[in-house]
Amino acid sequence: DIQMTQSPFSLSASVGDRVTITCRASQSISDYVNWYQQKPGKAPKLLISTTSTLQSGVPSRFSGSKSGRTFTLTISGLQPEDFAAYFCHQSFTTPWTFGQGTTLEIK
Amino acid sequence: QVQLEESGPGLVKPSESLSLMCNVSGVSINGFHWTWIRQPPGRGLEWIGNIYSSGSTNYNPSLKSRVAMSVDTSQNQFSLKLSSVTTADTAIYFCARVESGYEYFQFWGQGTLVAVSS
Repeated sequence: DIQMTQSPFSLSASVGDRVTITCRASQSISDYVNWYQQKPGKAPKLLISTTSTLQSGVPSRFSGSKSGRTFTLTISGLQPEDFAAYFCHQSFTTPWTFGQGTTLEIK
Repeated sequence: QVQLEESGPGLVKPSESLSLMCNVSGVSINGFHWTWIRQPPGRGLEWIGNIYSSGSTNYNPSLKSRVAMSVDTSQNQFSLKLSSVTTADTAIYFCARVESGYEYFQFWGQGTLVAVSS
């Protein structure tokens, strides 16, 4: 199975901050990485597909990028509604796997 | 718009089978892959498997021996059966649609909590 090592596990930040969350794949997976936001008691919400494609309705402060086997989700200018959990997901090959998740908390 | 809704028992006894249904509305189930994903409380996400509208399946090898999925196109729904459950199967179970090509999950159900306990 492809392992997606996500970091950090948790992150404290303030409104207006810029934060980055990374996922490193255990092998090459092209650009088959997607990012989800999950709020308590809710289903995950797709933010970014295929490394960097922003989904319709998702604010432009969210962006995705890749360097080698490391994928990055960046949130520029945190807003109060951004405090949530974030997961990466590789869809390069089954079994599809997820990162362990990052909880973004208000400092 | 596309909506998915899971249904099924919220409590299952150890060694028994867990059965869930996902009802799809707003779009035909035909021509898409559909998936089940689970999340133990407070933990990460695990892909269980996929089913295409034709009935072909692809399961996570870690669960393959205990999983069965089926589809009912006439009712626009698909289902999950997980046999011989243990407390480790306690989780929120989500159904979702797989977007063809890059295979991400844009449409999700709200999730249903299934507890395994005697």
